Amino acid sequence: EMHLVESGGGLVQPGRSLRLSCTVSGFTFGDYAMGWVRQAPGKGLEWVGFIRSKAYGGTTEHGASVRGRFTISRDDSKSIVYLQMNSLKHEDTAVYYCTRDNVAVAGGLDVWGKGTTVTVSS
Amino acid sequence: SSELTQPPSVSVSPGQTARITCSGDALPKQYSYWYQQKPGQAPMLVIYKDTENPPGVPERFSGSTSGTIVTLTISEVQAEDEAVYYCQSADSTSSYVVFGGGTKLTVL
Repeated sequence: EMHLVESGGGLVQPGRSLRLSCTVSGFTFGDYAMGWVRQAPGKGLEWVGFIRSKAYGGTTEHGASVRGRFTISRDDSKSIVYLQMNSLKHEDTAVYYCTRDNVAVAGGLDVWGKGTTVTVSS
Repeated sequence: SSELTQPPSVSVSPGQTARITCSGDALPKQYSYWYQQKPGQAPMLVIYKDTENPPGVPERFSGSTSGTIVTLTISEVQAEDEAVYYCQSADSTSSYVVFGGGTKLTVL
């Protein structure tokens, strides 16, 4: 069974940094692109970004609202994808979901973690 | 354009058919996907590649497309189908993921 488990969320002050991790099991991690989606309290889903598999260069794309502040990376040896969040703002407060990203092959975001909560507040 | 527009809410009685629409200029050129999110849970993919059902998703859930509008149809609606449904596609120029605002399905 496929599992994505996010960790690293918590309370952080504006302007500080936080790194989220997503540990994957149940499929060959290195074969897939992985991504992050967030959801602010009471709001809809917002795409954060994704990282391609090494076979496709391991390159990243990030959404406009986080570009330049957030960075996605991966460690295929540990089956972990990371979300490094810098210069955090109040509006980054959200539940952050890790996803398996099969959009490029028309498969959609087909596996989701349960999410980890990030609260940006002084 | 990268916007996807959904109605905020749809209501239907048990056993009836629910239809949730999603409109966007990029939809004729990009595949659409639908996700179901129940309270306190992560979203779950229910339709991919416009019309395909992932394994384990009941055939009561179906997707269709017509020009700039895609539709999620849920036949024989059950109380357990009550959730927020999000459409998703990709921006026509960048191929970045785009979500609709979500539609709350209420089963009366």
